[in-house]
Amino acid sequence: NAGVTQTPKFQVLKTGQSMTLQCAQDMNHEYMSWYRQDPGMGLRLIHYSVGAGITDQGEVPNGYNVSRSTTEDFPLRLLSAAPSQTSVYFCASSRDGSSYNSPLHFGNGTRLTVT
Amino acid sequence: TQLLEQSPQFLSIQEGENLTVYCNSSSVFSSLQWYRQEPGEGPVLLVTVVTGGEVKKLKRLTFQFGDARKDSSLHITAAQPGDTGLYLCAGVRNQGGKLIFGQGTELSVKP
Repeated sequence: NAGVTQTPKFQVLKTGQSMTLQCAQDMNHEYMSWYRQDPGMGLRLIHYSVGAGITDQGEVPNGYNVSRSTTEDFPLRLLSAAPSQTSVYFCASSRDGSSYNSPLHFGNGTRLTVT
Repeated sequence: TQLLEQSPQFLSIQEGENLTVYCNSSSVFSSLQWYRQEPGEGPVLLVTVVTGGEVKKLKRLTFQFGDARKDSSLHITAAQPGDTGLYLCAGVRNQGGKLIFGQGTELSVKP
């Protein structure tokens, strides 16, 4: 039972480089989301999707793009990495995005360093 | 400014001690969740509380939602080294709203 799978686990980028963080879930969840976790700041929502073909911005969307072409996959793209994007990124999914009835399932994170 | 303030941010105790972690806000939440996160892993849901004054128990962990639904607490009785981790509270302010996380409480329980 894989759940939410994130790749890669670690990544180092130079300023200005681009990359895609991958996220896949095998639970047929409609809702998927990306968070970043920084020391002393908890988890902040970057982008989310309530279903294939639908995406929306969260609290800190600048510098990130997402797409949702299938139910299973929700990649996060950094077009031009900046040191401020150094963080641990978590992908999470739930059945329908209603936090009470369908709790979030998190992946194990991608630790990104931008130099 | 953090919408959900957790305290303390760091807590280091000996095995067998009791502790309480607080999650406070000036806003009303329709529901509140507690997560536990271990190093190198994602957060895992422990409990969801919905009704003001609600108390839920999970073995040695007791969760309470404030009567006004603006705050919550997590009490651990007789802490064990296996309780070590980052504890996060997260709340939804209204139906359809997104989950807002507190900054977390880093708990270390020494044998």
